[in-house]
Amino acid sequence: DAGITQSPRYKITETGRQVTLMCHQTWSHSYMFWYRQDLGHGLRLIYYSAAADITDKGEVSDGYVVSRSKTENFPLTLESATRSQTSVYFCASRTTGGLHEQFFGPGTRLTVL
Amino acid sequence: AQSVSQHNHHVILSEAASLELGCNYSYGGTVNLFWYVQYPGQHLQLLLKYFSGDPLVKGIKGFEAEFIKSKFSFNLRKPSVQWSDTAEYFCAVNGGSQGNLIFGKGTKLSVKP
Repeated sequence: DAGITQSPRYKITETGRQVTLMCHQTWSHSYMFWYRQDLGHGLRLIYYSAAADITDKGEVSDGYVVSRSKTENFPLTLESATRSQTSVYFCASRTTGGLHEQFFGPGTRLTVL
Repeated sequence: AQSVSQHNHHVILSEAASLELGCNYSYGGTVNLFWYVQYPGQHLQLLLKYFSGDPLVKGIKGFEAEFIKSKFSFNLRKPSVQWSDTAEYFCAVNGGSQGNLIFGKGTKLSVKP
């Protein structure tokens, strides 16, 4: 049972480059989320998706885009990376329903030079 | 707006000491509360959760938390910490408008052997 996987686990890129972070879950959970984790800020929501082809912005969505053509995949793209996007990115998922427990992937540590 | 406050940024304890980490939330609806733990270099794992019923919730690894509705609090406790409890601890509440969790900024726990 793989759960949620993220790739790559570590990425170094340069300012202005496009970067895509991958997220794959094997549970067929309807909801998927992208968070970024920064020192002193905890986790902040970037984007979420309630189902395939349904996505919406979170608290810190500027500079990011997502897509969800299949239930199991939820890639996050930095269109033109900036140094302020250096962070650890976590993907999460949960089932439909009221319990809201989320399951997290292992994270991607992204460094923008 | 919904929010979560964790009072302690960094807590340092010796092994066998008792632990209490504070968490206060602001949310007007029905609350689901969570404590997640993040061991160094790893992803977030669920420690315990409260949905309803008994306000004293027991989780994994000897942790427990008490929901006090009148104080909007959900403090995490452990009677005797171990070196292996060194990690960062996040309190979270449901209530994000996108079905996401709202996280506190985290408390780093360092346990000295």
